[in-house]
Amino acid sequence: GDSVTQMEGPVTLSEEAFLTINCTYTATGYPSLFWYVQYPGEGLQLLLKATKADDKGSNKGFEATYRKETTSFHLEKGSVQVSDSAVYFCALRGETSYDKVIFGPGTSLSVIP
Amino acid sequence: KAGVTQTPRYLIKTRGQQVTLSCSPISGHRSVSWYQQTPGQGLQFLFEYFSETQRNKGNFPGRFSGRQFSNSRSEMNVSTLELGDSALYLCASSLASGISSYEQYFGPGTRLTVT
Repeated sequence: GDSVTQMEGPVTLSEEAFLTINCTYTATGYPSLFWYVQYPGEGLQLLLKATKADDKGSNKGFEATYRKETTSFHLEKGSVQVSDSAVYFCALRGETSYDKVIFGPGTSLSVIP
Repeated sequence: KAGVTQTPRYLIKTRGQQVTLSCSPISGHRSVSWYQQTPGQGLQFLFEYFSETQRNKGNFPGRFSGRQFSNSRSEMNVSTLELGDSALYLCASSLASGISSYEQYFGPGTRLTVT
């Protein structure tokens, strides 16, 4: 079945550092890929998405490119801020799992001043 | 446009009791999904409803059930509560079902504690 693998962390970075959170997936066909963010005590918020190969999703300085050849959707940000501290979830909604979103385990990010 | 709302936000129940959680989707959204989030298991899919019909169900015991009303509002029920049911229950709405590119919008969750 469809699945998502991502680095679990926790990841601790200094403010203004470069962020990469790796995400790879297993799915048949061409799933849609998503990054969600969960701030402490809150539900999940959609951060960005990509629906076809080579698409780049971007939002709030975060970017991720849908790489079909490596089945990856790595999240990047050039300069993190303290306010980016949260848990980040990579997810897919596939052609065979269209009824539900498959989530990775989440990566906890702490940004220190 | 108002987001997904869930009530109540916090709930404390005793083992053996039952509980009902409510979710109101974004206006115009007809698909509602439920997830259980725990530190050990992460986010696990419970079920999805679309047009008052259950479309898909995750691997949870029959104690977990749900329904959707004609206005797309949804409820989930857990009977005979166990300590392991303590979790954050998240509801998500989407415009429709069966479209992979349609993202889900999540509510703030209901924090259920079973003692």
